[in-house]
Amino acid sequence: ELKVEQNPLFLSMQEGKNYTIYCNYSTTSDRLYWYRQDPGKSLESLFVLLSNGAVKQEGRLMASLDTKARLSTLHITAAVHDLSATYFCAVDLNSGYALNFGKGTSLLVTP
Amino acid sequence: SAVISQKPSRDICQRGTSLTIQCQVDSQVTMMFWYRQQPGQSLTLIATANQGSEATYESGFVIDKFPISRPNLTFSTLTVSNMSPEDSSIYLCSVSGRAAQIYEQYFGPGTRLTVT
Repeated sequence: ELKVEQNPLFLSMQEGKNYTIYCNYSTTSDRLYWYRQDPGKSLESLFVLLSNGAVKQEGRLMASLDTKARLSTLHITAAVHDLSATYFCAVDLNSGYALNFGKGTSLLVTP
Repeated sequence: SAVISQKPSRDICQRGTSLTIQCQVDSQVTMMFWYRQQPGQSLTLIATANQGSEATYESGFVIDKFPISRPNLTFSTLTVSNMSPEDSSIYLCSVSGRAAQIYEQYFGPGTRLTVT
């Protein structure tokens, strides 16, 4: 059974600070997804990481994938309040298959 | 990206009744999935909706409780049958396998169900 673990599950950080969310998974996979969910909303796709060493950046968020360590990170740089949301990582076993989600990281950015 | 709509967006239902949720995509897709998100929780896969054949259910979910249809490559329905308060959740459909972007997976806006 594929397990996906995120940590931390809750994160409160001040504006302007940096932090990293970690996503570990238990089975070999080359595809790792990051999503954002605002309260009462659906999931918004942030990044799709398709190979070992993949790094993608969008604004203050940067995601990376190490398939050998079965680890992905989502790094937040100089956080702003608008980044407050829940962030999910997810893994699929083969392209086009359903996703296995982590429990999510609830991020709160405070002034 | 794929544009996905779901109907209804929310509903309040009485226990013992059934609700059918529709998922419509703006283009043909290979794979369609149904997920459940219980309050404050992550997403759990209910089933894969297969076009022209019976859905593939995950452990803990059965066809009698969650019948699914997929008559074509752009549409699917999920029925939540004989509802109880424990069925109160957000139900989301997702799609993948659209044209060359086979690795992209998109989610619909969700259906927020409350069972009283």
